[in-house]
Amino acid sequence: GENVEQHPSTLSVQEGDSAVIKCTYSDSASNYFPWYKQELGKGPQLIIDIRSNVGEKKDQRIAVTLNKTAKHFSLHITETQPEDSAVYFCAASTFHEKLTFGTGTRLTIIP
Amino acid sequence: DSGVTQTPKHLITATGQRVTLRCSPRSGDLSVYWYQQSLDQGLQFLIQYYNGEERAKGNILERFSAQQFPDLHSELNLSSLELGDSALYFCASSPGTSGGREQFFGPGTRLTVL
Repeated sequence: GENVEQHPSTLSVQEGDSAVIKCTYSDSASNYFPWYKQELGKGPQLIIDIRSNVGEKKDQRIAVTLNKTAKHFSLHITETQPEDSAVYFCAASTFHEKLTFGTGTRLTIIP
Repeated sequence: DSGVTQTPKHLITATGQRVTLRCSPRSGDLSVYWYQQSLDQGLQFLIQYYNGEERAKGNILERFSAQQFPDLHSELNLSSLELGDSALYFCASSPGTSGGREQFFGPGTRLTVL
Protein backbone atom coordinates (compact mmCIF):
# COMPACT_ATOMS: atom_id res chain seq x y z
CA GLY A 1 0.00 0.00 0.00
CA GLU A 2 0.80 3.67 -0.08
CA ASN A 3 3.37 5.09 2.32
CA VAL A 4 3.77 8.84 2.86
CA GLU A 5 6.79 10.32 4.59
CA GLN A 6 6.76 13.91 5.84
CA HIS A 7 9.61 16.20 6.97
CA PRO A 8 10.38 17.99 9.14
CA SER A 9 8.38 16.86 12.18
CA THR A 10 8.77 20.30 13.78
CA LEU A 11 9.51 23.67 12.21
CA SER A 12 9.94 27.09 13.78
CA VAL A 13 10.13 30.22 11.65
CA GLN A 14 10.15 33.94 12.31
CA GLU A 15 6.95 35.77 11.54
CA GLY A 16 7.11 37.03 7.98
CA ASP A 17 9.52 34.34 6.81
CA SER A 18 8.61 31.37 4.61
CA ALA A 19 7.98 27.79 5.69
CA VAL A 20 8.42 24.67 3.56
CA ILE A 21 7.18 21.18 4.38
CA LYS A 22 8.10 18.21 2.21
CA CYS A 23 6.44 14.85 1.58
CA THR A 24 7.29 11.79 -0.46
CA TYR A 25 4.95 9.02 -1.51
CA SER A 26 5.57 5.48 -2.67
CA ASP A 27 2.62 4.48 -4.87
CA SER A 28 2.99 5.78 -8.42
CA ALA A 29 -0.78 5.31 -8.85
CA SER A 30 -1.50 8.11 -6.37
CA ASN A 31 -2.94 11.10 -8.18
CA TYR A 32 -4.43 13.39 -5.54
CA PHE A 33 -2.40 15.22 -2.87
CA PRO A 34 -4.19 17.37 -0.28
CA TRP A 35 -2.73 19.31 2.62
CA TYR A 36 -4.52 19.71 5.92
CA LYS A 37 -4.04 22.10 8.81
CA GLN A 38 -5.03 20.91 12.27
CA GLU A 39 -5.34 23.30 15.18
CA LEU A 40 -5.50 22.12 18.75
CA GLY A 41 -8.79 20.44 19.57
CA LYS A 42 -10.09 20.64 16.01
CA GLY A 43 -10.44 18.39 13.01
CA PRO A 44 -8.09 18.60 10.02
CA GLN A 45 -8.96 21.48 7.69
CA LEU A 46 -8.28 21.19 3.97
CA ILE A 47 -6.11 24.15 2.95
CA ILE A 48 -4.96 23.25 -0.56
CA ASP A 49 -4.74 20.24 -2.85
CA ILE A 50 -3.11 19.28 -6.13
CA ARG A 51 -3.81 16.63 -8.73
CA SER A 52 -1.19 14.70 -10.62
CA ASN A 53 -1.79 16.51 -13.91
CA VAL A 54 -0.67 19.80 -12.33
CA GLY A 55 2.83 20.78 -11.22
CA GLU A 56 2.04 23.75 -9.01
CA LYS A 57 -0.95 25.43 -7.43
CA LYS A 58 -1.20 28.68 -5.47
CA ASP A 59 -3.79 30.16 -3.17
CA GLN A 60 -2.76 33.51 -1.73
CA ARG A 61 0.18 32.83 0.65
CA ILE A 62 0.03 29.06 0.20
CA ALA A 63 1.45 27.04 -2.68
CA VAL A 64 1.96 23.36 -3.36
CA THR A 65 4.38 21.82 -5.86
CA LEU A 66 4.38 18.27 -7.18
CA ASN A 67 7.18 16.30 -8.80
CA LYS A 68 5.65 13.07 -10.09
CA THR A 69 8.95 11.67 -11.32
CA ALA A 70 10.56 11.99 -7.91
CA LYS A 71 7.27 11.23 -6.10
CA HIS A 72 7.46 14.21 -3.83
CA PHE A 73 5.33 17.24 -3.13
CA SER A 74 5.83 20.29 -0.96
CA LEU A 75 3.82 22.93 0.86
CA HIS A 76 5.11 26.50 0.81
CA ILE A 77 3.74 29.18 3.12
CA THR A 78 5.02 32.71 2.52
CA GLU A 79 4.81 35.78 4.79
CA THR A 80 3.97 33.57 7.76
CA GLN A 81 1.67 34.89 10.45
CA PRO A 82 1.03 33.75 14.05
CA GLU A 83 -2.27 32.16 12.99
CA ASP A 84 -0.31 29.80 10.72
CA SER A 85 0.92 27.98 13.83
CA ALA A 86 -0.62 24.49 13.73
CA VAL A 87 0.11 20.90 12.73
CA TYR A 88 0.16 20.34 8.98
CA PHE A 89 -0.47 16.97 7.32
CA CYS A 90 0.16 15.94 3.76
CA ALA A 91 -1.78 13.05 2.25
CA ALA A 92 -1.98 11.00 -0.92
CA SER A 93 -4.71 8.97 -2.55
CA THR A 94 -5.55 7.01 -5.67
CA PHE A 95 -8.92 6.83 -7.42
CA HIS A 96 -10.16 4.73 -4.48
CA GLU A 97 -10.13 7.99 -2.52
CA LYS A 98 -8.96 6.83 0.91
CA LEU A 99 -6.27 9.17 2.19
CA THR A 100 -2.88 8.01 3.44
CA PHE A 101 -1.46 10.69 5.70
CA GLY A 102 2.05 11.76 6.53
CA THR A 103 3.09 11.95 10.17
CA GLY A 104 2.56 15.69 10.49
CA THR A 105 4.67 18.82 10.94
CA ARG A 106 4.22 21.06 13.94
CA LEU A 107 4.77 24.60 12.65
CA THR A 108 5.46 27.37 15.16
CA ILE A 109 5.57 30.99 14.05
CA ILE A 110 7.79 33.10 16.30
CA PRO A 111 6.50 36.69 16.68
CA ASP B 1 -17.03 24.99 10.08
CA SER B 2 -16.71 22.14 7.57
CA GLY B 3 -20.40 21.21 7.64
CA VAL B 4 -19.62 17.73 9.01
CA THR B 5 -20.99 17.09 12.48
CA GLN B 6 -19.93 14.44 14.97
CA THR B 7 -21.40 13.42 18.30
CA PRO B 8 -20.51 13.09 21.05
CA LYS B 9 -17.50 15.39 21.34
CA HIS B 10 -16.07 13.46 24.26
CA LEU B 11 -16.67 9.90 25.46
CA ILE B 12 -15.21 8.28 28.56
CA THR B 13 -15.86 4.62 29.14
CA ALA B 14 -14.35 1.48 30.63
CA THR B 15 -12.55 -1.47 29.10
CA GLY B 16 -14.85 -4.11 27.69
CA GLN B 17 -17.63 -1.65 26.94
CA ARG B 18 -19.26 -0.77 23.62
CA VAL B 19 -19.77 2.74 22.22
CA THR B 20 -21.33 4.28 19.14
CA LEU B 21 -19.97 7.36 17.42
CA ARG B 22 -22.21 9.29 15.07
CA CYS B 23 -21.43 11.38 11.99
CA SER B 24 -23.58 13.54 9.74
CA PRO B 25 -21.92 14.41 6.42
CA ARG B 26 -22.11 17.71 4.58
CA SER B 27 -25.35 18.23 2.74
CA GLY B 28 -25.22 16.40 -0.58
CA ASP B 29 -22.10 14.36 0.18
CA LEU B 30 -22.51 10.65 -0.47
CA SER B 31 -19.17 9.35 0.83
CA VAL B 32 -18.30 9.03 4.50
CA TYR B 33 -14.88 8.08 5.81
CA TRP B 34 -13.78 7.19 9.33
CA TYR B 35 -10.24 7.87 10.55
CA GLN B 36 -8.51 7.21 13.86
CA GLN B 37 -5.88 9.61 15.19
CA SER B 38 -3.57 8.43 17.93
CA LEU B 39 -0.20 9.70 19.11
CA ASP B 40 1.71 6.60 18.02
CA GLN B 41 -0.16 5.75 14.80
CA GLY B 42 -1.04 9.18 13.43
CA LEU B 43 -4.11 9.54 11.20
CA GLN B 44 -5.22 6.11 9.98
CA PHE B 45 -8.05 5.31 7.59
CA LEU B 46 -10.58 2.87 9.01
CA ILE B 47 -13.48 2.49 6.59
CA GLN B 48 -15.41 4.24 3.82
CA TYR B 49 -19.08 4.14 2.87
CA TYR B 50 -20.60 5.43 -0.33
CA ASN B 51 -24.35 5.93 -0.56
CA GLY B 52 -25.05 3.27 2.04
CA GLU B 53 -22.58 0.66 0.80
CA GLU B 54 -19.18 -0.22 2.20
CA ARG B 55 -16.59 0.89 -0.35
CA ALA B 56 -13.16 0.45 1.21
CA LYS B 57 -11.65 -0.92 4.37
CA GLY B 58 -8.42 0.06 6.03
CA ASN B 59 -6.85 -1.00 9.27
CA ILE B 60 -10.13 -1.53 11.06
CA LEU B 61 -10.24 -4.05 13.88
CA GLU B 62 -12.83 -6.82 13.86
CA ARG B 63 -14.20 -5.35 17.11
CA PHE B 64 -15.11 -2.22 15.14
CA SER B 65 -17.94 -1.92 12.66
CA ALA B 66 -19.71 0.86 10.83
CA GLN B 67 -22.75 1.53 8.73
CA GLN B 68 -24.28 4.31 6.67
CA PHE B 69 -28.00 4.84 6.86
CA PRO B 70 -30.47 5.89 4.12
CA ASP B 71 -30.29 9.51 5.31
CA LEU B 72 -26.49 9.19 4.78
CA HIS B 73 -25.47 9.65 8.39
CA SER B 74 -22.98 7.08 9.61
CA GLU B 75 -22.22 5.33 12.87
CA LEU B 76 -19.00 3.72 14.02
CA ASN B 77 -19.44 1.01 16.63
CA LEU B 78 -16.53 0.07 18.85
CA SER B 79 -16.93 -2.98 21.09
CA SER B 80 -14.89 -4.88 23.68
CA LEU B 81 -12.95 -1.67 24.18
CA GLU B 82 -9.30 -1.78 25.18
CA LEU B 83 -7.04 0.91 26.61
CA GLY B 84 -5.33 1.17 23.24
CA ASP B 85 -8.56 2.23 21.56
CA SER B 86 -8.30 5.62 23.26
CA ALA B 87 -7.90 8.08 20.40
CA LEU B 88 -9.57 10.79 18.37
CA TYR B 89 -12.03 9.46 15.83
CA PHE B 90 -12.78 11.64 12.83
CA CYS B 91 -15.42 11.40 10.22
CA ALA B 92 -14.93 13.02 6.83
CA SER B 93 -17.28 13.39 3.89
CA SER B 94 -16.91 14.04 0.18
CA PRO B 95 -19.29 14.29 -2.75
CA GLY B 96 -18.26 10.85 -4.01
CA THR B 97 -17.12 9.39 -7.29
CA SER B 98 -19.33 11.62 -9.41
CA GLY B 99 -18.28 14.80 -7.69
CA GLY B 100 -15.24 16.33 -6.08
CA ARG B 101 -12.63 14.35 -4.22
CA GLU B 102 -12.04 16.79 -1.40
CA GLN B 103 -12.62 15.30 2.03
CA PHE B 104 -13.95 17.59 4.75
CA PHE B 105 -13.43 16.55 8.33
CA GLY B 106 -15.68 16.85 11.32
CA PRO B 107 -14.51 18.08 14.75
CA GLY B 108 -13.94 14.53 15.99
CA THR B 109 -14.91 12.42 18.98
CA ARG B 110 -12.30 12.00 21.69
CA LEU B 111 -12.63 8.51 23.15
CA THR B 112 -10.99 7.72 26.47
CA VAL B 113 -11.02 4.12 27.67
CA LEU B 114 -10.20 3.70 31.36
